Amino acid sequence: DQQVKQNSPSLSVQEGRISILNCDYTNSMFDYFLWYKKYPAEGPTFLISISSIKDKNEDGRFTVFLNKSAKHLSLHIVPSQPGDSAVYFCAASGVHQGAQKLVFGQGTRLTINP
Amino acid sequence: NAGVTQTPKFRILKIGQSMTLQCAQDMNHNYMYWYRQDPGMGLKLIYYSVGAGITDKGEVPNGYNVSRSTTEDFPLRLELAAPSQTSVYFCASRIVTGELFFGEGSRLTVL
Repeated sequence: DQQVKQNSPSLSVQEGRISILNCDYTNSMFDYFLWYKKYPAEGPTFLISISSIKDKNEDGRFTVFLNKSAKHLSLHIVPSQPGDSAVYFCAASGVHQGAQKLVFGQGTRLTINP
Repeated sequence: NAGVTQTPKFRILKIGQSMTLQCAQDMNHNYMYWYRQDPGMGLKLIYYSVGAGITDKGEVPNGYNVSRSTTEDFPLRLELAAPSQTSVYFCASRIVTGELFFGEGSRLTVL
């Protein structure tokens, strides 16, 4: 049962354009959402997050949008740069059986073409 | 500022061997996690701990054991290595909520 899904395994975008990465979740218990970025041979690093009480959070070139009714969130990167080429993981956090749980999606490999 | 430190970075094991992946964090985080990443499968939670002396199973705990005798350390033990345990393992920590801090990963191959 995949509670957090990233349905696009890969995405290719031209430098300077907007990259949009999508994520869907199934469990209403999730109240905090995060995006992580991962380069090869490194651990994931935190990128941006959003609480379920908000519908948008912006940090420089990165914006996360949350649509709670659709159980959908997206990460927008604009303008896209070559250094943004990485695997992006969506994660959802919530309390389950008294403990904070964090569930990850499968990841989307983003490639920025010059 | 070391953050989360994992050792070893690479290891090759024979079927049936055992080993321990070490994880240490210096941020005084209560929560610690072990994930494995398989190609195209994202990060799957193996075990987690909400504080010293407390551990619990995640999604894929079979074949693994953990202990949490101190706040800083959270080792992951493989008792009888199997080819299905070939993966990249990530240790992570955080305060109760918020972002997770990851180690650099340990790549394990079981032949």
